[in-house]
Amino acid sequence: SQTIHQWPATLVQPVGSPLSLECTVEGTSNPNLYWYRQAAGRGLQLLFYSVGIGQISSEVPQNLSASRPQDRQFILSSKKLLLSDSGFYLCACTGGEEETQYFGPGTRLLVL
Amino acid sequence: SQQGEEDPQALSIQEGENATMNCSYKTSINNLQWYRQNSGRGLVHLILIRSNEREKHSGRLRVTLDTSKKSSSLLITASRAADTASYFCANSGGSNYKLTFGKGTLLTVNP
Repeated sequence: SQTIHQWPATLVQPVGSPLSLECTVEGTSNPNLYWYRQAAGRGLQLLFYSVGIGQISSEVPQNLSASRPQDRQFILSSKKLLLSDSGFYLCACTGGEEETQYFGPGTRLLVL
Repeated sequence: SQQGEEDPQALSIQEGENATMNCSYKTSINNLQWYRQNSGRGLVHLILIRSNEREKHSGRLRVTLDTSKKSSSLLITASRAADTASYFCANSGGSNYKLTFGKGTLLTVNP
């Protein structure tokens, strides 16, 4: 079965600093990959998804970008963080039953 | 927007009781899924019901789907303290298996 790794688990960054969050997937090949953000007490907002290497679709305009340099690697980046980028970031992939998604443990980002 | 809404936002029950959570959505769907999230953790897939199904069971979980009302319900029977978590519905109606999540129901099961 799929296993998703995310790191770091927690990150505190100053406003204006760069960001790089990494997600790697084991146990499947050629998955769809997704980045979500979850604000405190809220649902998940889809930020980006990817159906293959180098293929990125953005769901909402924002200060963030995503890249997929390898089949099972998905990176979320920012050149300059804003206070509003704070949140809980979750990476997900599709699996054997492709309509379901498997989630990583998440990264909690606090921008000060 | 396809974003769903769960109802209630929070639910507190005693161990052994049943818990029912509802979800509404706005557009046509291929399937509807329920996920669970323990505090500060990732989501775990619980159950998927397809648009041509009306009811589905998995262990202590029972999900219903009414496409005419664009609503679904999740019933957890004989709840346990370990069921304490947030529960989200998510609908799939677009391409590339994208999901649109609701805001979730926070379930607290008191021992």
